[in-house]
Amino acid sequence: RKEVEQDPGPFNVPEGATVAFNCTYSNSASQSFFWYRQDCRKEPKLLMSVYSSGNEDGRFTAQLNRASQYISLLIRDSKLSDSATYLCVVKDYGQNFVFGPGTRLSVLP
Amino acid sequence: DTGVSQDPRHKITKRGQNVTFRCDPISEHNRLYWYRQTLGQGPEFLTYFQNEAQLEKSRLLSDRFSAERPKGSFSTLEIQRTEQGDSAMYLCASSLDRGRGTGELFFGEGSRLTVL
Repeated sequence: RKEVEQDPGPFNVPEGATVAFNCTYSNSASQSFFWYRQDCRKEPKLLMSVYSSGNEDGRFTAQLNRASQYISLLIRDSKLSDSATYLCVVKDYGQNFVFGPGTRLSVLP
Repeated sequence: DTGVSQDPRHKITKRGQNVTFRCDPISEHNRLYWYRQTLGQGPEFLTYFQNEAQLEKSRLLSDRFSAERPKGSFSTLEIQRTEQGDSAMYLCASSLDRGRGTGELFFGEGSRLTVL
């Protein structure tokens, strides 16, 4: 079993749609959680950290369920510019950042 | 530019040759990571440094791979006797970790390796 698994995708949604990505992780000792965004042929960039109480940044909402070892990302009112691959990232006390395979999103006009 | 920089951006080599990549992290960052990414996959961890100490190496890092960070600043990743399966994007990232384990990663633009 992979350490971090994500919805396989791709997700093709119309502009304005709400889309949710799911991620599960296997290491219960994991301490920090992130969503990164990667545009085609570019490097990954931090989208948002994920906190235990859940957090929101504009149209983006991240949630963490430690008991189920599950992380989610919700994008509301999706824009064409949201088209990218979304990477779920988990970090444990070993200080290693483990990336999921990513879920590709295409927002269509 | 104060971001993470990598060199070269692209490298084409013949099977069996050695290649070396360089990474210059953000200057105040104490951690430096190397990842490998192939098409359609997420970045795979290779190794990381805390200052000049190499603290963890992935099982993916065979004996042909070696990484150094001699003065705790820039790092090099060398691949000896390259194989076609080494073709990938090699990503370097740095972070500032103050011991609470929450420092985010900042990536360079990567070094793309093609082994013919």
